[in-house]
Amino acid sequence: DVQMTQSPSSLSASVGDRVTITCRASQYISSYLLWYQQKPGKAPKLLIYAVSTLQSGVPSRFSGSGSGTDFTLTISSLQPEDFATYYCQHSYNTPWTFGQGTKVEIK
Amino acid sequence: QVQLQQWGAGLLKPSETLSLTCGVYGGSFSESFSEYHWTWIRQSPEKGLEWIGEVNHSGSTNYNPSLKSRVTMSVDTSKSQFSLNLTSVTAADTALYFCASIPPPRGYSGYRFESWGQGTLVTVSS
Repeated sequence: DVQMTQSPSSLSASVGDRVTITCRASQYISSYLLWYQQKPGKAPKLLIYAVSTLQSGVPSRFSGSGSGTDFTLTISSLQPEDFATYYCQHSYNTPWTFGQGTKVEIK
Repeated sequence: QVQLQQWGAGLLKPSETLSLTCGVYGGSFSESFSEYHWTWIRQSPEKGLEWIGEVNHSGSTNYNPSLKSRVTMSVDTSKSQFSLNLTSVTAADTALYFCASIPPPRGYSGYRFESWGQGTLVTVSS
């Protein structure tokens, strides 16, 4: 199975900050990398697929980059509604696996 | 866009069978969603998010090898539903279970879990 490792596990940031979360795959996954946002008590919400394609309705302050094994999610200007946990996931082959999550907290 | 609503028993005893169903809304199941796959994912503090498996419109399945021996998924097109059965549950199966939709990929974009159910907390306890 492909192991997905996110860093950091948590971070504290202020509204307006630029936030970067990284995700590393244990093997090559091409561009089959997705990002989700999850708020407490809710299902994950798809933000980005194919590394950098924004899901419909997702604000443009979210962006993704990378290829191969190393990927990044960037929030250009953190908003109050962005405080949540973020997960990466690969869809290169099955079993599809997720990272352990990065919790973005208010500083 | 597809909307999902799931239901099923939330409290089980060890060795019982977990059964969850997910209803699909927002279009004709046999027409609008004929190329979709349907999937189940669970989440626990110990294992995080774990993909359980998927079933397509014709009933073909693909399961996570870690659960394959205990999992059965099916689709009922007449009811616009798909289901998960997990046999011989133990405390390790205690988790929040989600259903989700997998639309056909756009070009070479790969698969994505686009819409999610609200989640069902399943607790296994004697």
